[in-house]
Amino acid sequence: EIVLTQSPGTLSLSPGERATLSCRASQSVSSYYLAWYQQKPGQAPRLLIYDTSSRATGIPDRFSGSGSGTDFTLTISRLEPEDFAVYSCQQFGSSPWTFGQGTKVEIK
Amino acid sequence: QVQLQESGPGLVKPSETLTLTCTVSGGSISSYYWSWIRQPPGKGLEWIGYIYYSGTTNYHPSLKSRVTISRDTSKNQFSLKLTSVTAADTAVYYCARDLAARPGSLLYWGQGTLVTVSS
Repeated sequence: EIVLTQSPGTLSLSPGERATLSCRASQSVSSYYLAWYQQKPGQAPRLLIYDTSSRATGIPDRFSGSGSGTDFTLTISRLEPEDFAVYSCQQFGSSPWTFGQGTKVEIK
Repeated sequence: QVQLQESGPGLVKPSETLTLTCTVSGGSISSYYWSWIRQPPGKGLEWIGYIYYSGTTNYHPSLKSRVTISRDTSKNQFSLKLTSVTAADTAVYYCARDLAARPGSLLYWGQGTLVTVSS
């Protein structure tokens, strides 16, 4: 099973700042099989990024993904008030599909 | 627009079977991968398994002995059965569908349903 470790656990930032979230895999993951989700309290996750760097429909371009192999990054260029949430990475190149434990982006 | 809606009991007794149904509207389950994911209170997401439109299934190894995912194409629904539940199975359960050509990128989600295992 591929374990995804996200860091930091919590990121305290102000609106307008840049957020950089890390997702490290215990084994190499093909870039086609890495996705990122945003989740707000009481809501289902929302797909932000697939194929490591492709934005899902309707996702603003302030969200970007990058990485390869075992190291992947989600960047939010300028935080908007609605971006404060929990972000999770996911791999599905190897069964079982696994998620990271999440990074909470909170208002500083 | 594809919409998914979970339904089923919110309370299940220990050792009994949890059964949930996901009703799909705005699209047919005769395509794509259809998944179940759960999230224990305050914790991260855990993939349970999927059923492909062909009927092929794949389950998380830790749950494989207790899980069955099935589908009813006539009702455009797919279902989750989890046997011998314990308190550790208490979670919000989500059904989801993939992004076309990317079976694991989960684009469409149900709102989730909380299932509590308690006597």
